[in-house]
Amino acid sequence: QKEVEQNSGPLSVPEGAIASLNCTYSDRVSQSFFWYRQYSGKSPELIMSIYSNGDKEDGRFTAQLNKASQYVSLLIRDSQPSDSATYLCAVNTGRRALTFGSGTRLQVQP
Amino acid sequence: KAGVTQTPRYLIKTRGQQVTLSCSPISGHRSVSWYQQTPGQGLQFLFEYFSETQRNKGNFPGRFSGRQFSNSRSEMNVSTLELGDSALYLCASSKTGTGVGSSTDTQYFGPGTRLTVL
Repeated sequence: QKEVEQNSGPLSVPEGAIASLNCTYSDRVSQSFFWYRQYSGKSPELIMSIYSNGDKEDGRFTAQLNKASQYVSLLIRDSQPSDSATYLCAVNTGRRALTFGSGTRLQVQP
Repeated sequence: KAGVTQTPRYLIKTRGQQVTLSCSPISGHRSVSWYQQTPGQGLQFLFEYFSETQRNKGNFPGRFSGRQFSNSRSEMNVSTLELGDSALYLCASSKTGTGVGSSTDTQYFGPGTRLTVL
């Protein structure tokens, strides 16, 4: 079992819709959770960080964390074509290293 | 505030050569981590430095090494290059990188160095 799992996609949504990206992790001691966005040929860009159970909102983005279910998600409201990218879920288990999922490719159709 | 910078941005080397990559963290950040990204393996952790000390190392051969200077700048070195070392090498900095669930964990990535081994 991979430590951090994501559906590779592509996830295709129409412009203006809500995109829902999911991630599960295996290490129960994980403390910090991050979503990064990566455009083709570029480096990862931080979108959201979340540390405690519940929801955290930042503009059009909402991160949700459920430690009991070992599940973290990212919702993107009013999706725009510029949101088309690969979204990486990353988990810090306290070993001072991020473990990344393989990424979900999101396509927003105009 | 300036972001993480990495030099050079692109490198072409041949098998058997060695290469040194450089990373300057965000001002005030003392933790520097290195990652390798390939299409097949995704993003994988190489090592992390804090106050000139390597605190953690990923599952890579000894050909991969690094160091951190007193100003928090970091370098990584790959010796005896192999074709499989072709990848995007990413540096990320954070304030403390402890993983204890606070904003000081947050890692910010540089633009990366694209290494091609021929």
